[in-house]
Amino acid sequence: EAGVVQSPRYKIIEKKQPVAFWCNPISGHNTLYWYLQNLGQGPELLIRYENEEAVDDSQLPKDRFSAERLKGVDSTLKIQPAELGDSAVYLCASSLEIDNEQFFGPGTRLTVL
Amino acid sequence: DAKTTQPPSMDCAEGRAANLPCNHSTISGNEYVYWYRQIHSQGPQYIIHGLKNNETNEMASLIITEDRKSSTLILPHATLRDTAVYYCIVTYAGNMLTFGGGTRLMVKP
Repeated sequence: EAGVVQSPRYKIIEKKQPVAFWCNPISGHNTLYWYLQNLGQGPELLIRYENEEAVDDSQLPKDRFSAERLKGVDSTLKIQPAELGDSAVYLCASSLEIDNEQFFGPGTRLTVL
Repeated sequence: DAKTTQPPSMDCAEGRAANLPCNHSTISGNEYVYWYRQIHSQGPQYIIHGLKNNETNEMASLIITEDRKSSTLILPHATLRDTAVYYCIVTYAGNMLTFGGGTRLMVKP
């Protein structure tokens, strides 16, 4: 069974540019999560989806970050415009229903220059 | 969610048991103890969880004290591939995971 797929694995952009990350969860998993992980720290939840609905987006900086999960499967996380402080690893996870046993993808490492 | 306290780092000899402690003195009655680990350049991986009873699976054992204020994750025969950051998380079922700093376990030959 394929795990959570994320792309790209690495992205380097200049500040003020837009960037987008894509996530394909495990088949059949209704709940999808986006996390941010800064160097040397644990992941922090940005947003959680239950099917197409964002059920917890309180930690998402809405002035520059946006996310969507249009058909309740794949999801995209966007930053526009990117700032230097956005350099981090962006992790996607999925679970069967709302469950604490989450399956994580490998992450996208973003570097903003 | 209750807070957890873990040592920042630990060493373990290959083939020996690795015992990773976690303090969660403010845990409430319905909160579970979850353990995840994160190998370098990978996403976190679920290991095990428990409520009150000790638990064992193919990866590890989880020992929870009777008062539930602390727990220990046991890797019975650590290998070099177990080198990772181990996160202890206390949360209600279905609630979000809040990762702390974790314990960086180094398994040495």
